[in-house]
Amino acid sequence: DTEVTQTPKHLVMGMTNKKSLKCEQHMGHRAMYWYKQKAKKPPELMFVYSYEKLSINESVPSRFSPECPNSSLLNLHLHALQPEDSALYLCASSQAISETQYFGPGTRLLVL
Amino acid sequence: QKEVEQNSGPLSVPEGAIASLNCTYSDRGSQSFFWYRQYSGKSPELIMSIYSNGDKEDGRFTAQLNKASQYVSLLIRDSQPSDSATYLCAVTRSGGSNYKLTFGKGTLLTVNP
Repeated sequence: DTEVTQTPKHLVMGMTNKKSLKCEQHMGHRAMYWYKQKAKKPPELMFVYSYEKLSINESVPSRFSPECPNSSLLNLHLHALQPEDSALYLCASSQAISETQYFGPGTRLLVL
Repeated sequence: QKEVEQNSGPLSVPEGAIASLNCTYSDRGSQSFFWYRQYSGKSPELIMSIYSNGDKEDGRFTAQLNKASQYVSLLIRDSQPSDSATYLCAVTRSGGSNYKLTFGKGTLLTVNP
């Protein structure tokens, strides 16, 4: 089973809202990732967690705040986003940080 | 210099034909190579991974890797309309940044019935 789940599927939020994206995997993977993907572009790495610790932050603005409550869950907290943050947000996981990554279905975010 | 390059397409082939997708990469120390398929509005789905020179076959898909030429390709035999999607080539670098999947911009494939 190579399933990564994400909720919600779609999200519309205003620039003053606070919302969270959730990602879950039950494959025993110890590395989890957040990506942002704009239309007709490849995914762009945002954060990497390895063994529940933040390993990589790819210079992402502080209005995006990741959290890894346990080895199966990954959250992305959103606050004071801008319209240009509208995108598909993808979660991925892998057995270890350099192994094959499997993507979840994504959350389509629209910031008004 | 772009790190992973793909022809953006669109690549159009008739149903039943072989589709050939190509990718070149700049980092000679790259270790792992992946092909992901992405339908419009959906997330990337792993099709193939390849780590050593040569061919790797899985059903209708064959990945080919040539590290000397820094070239990786994906062949899709007996193409079906359901294969119509964007194909993303991705490479994992060696060393300190080996966590990072570097993607090409993707090749849009259209299979015509």
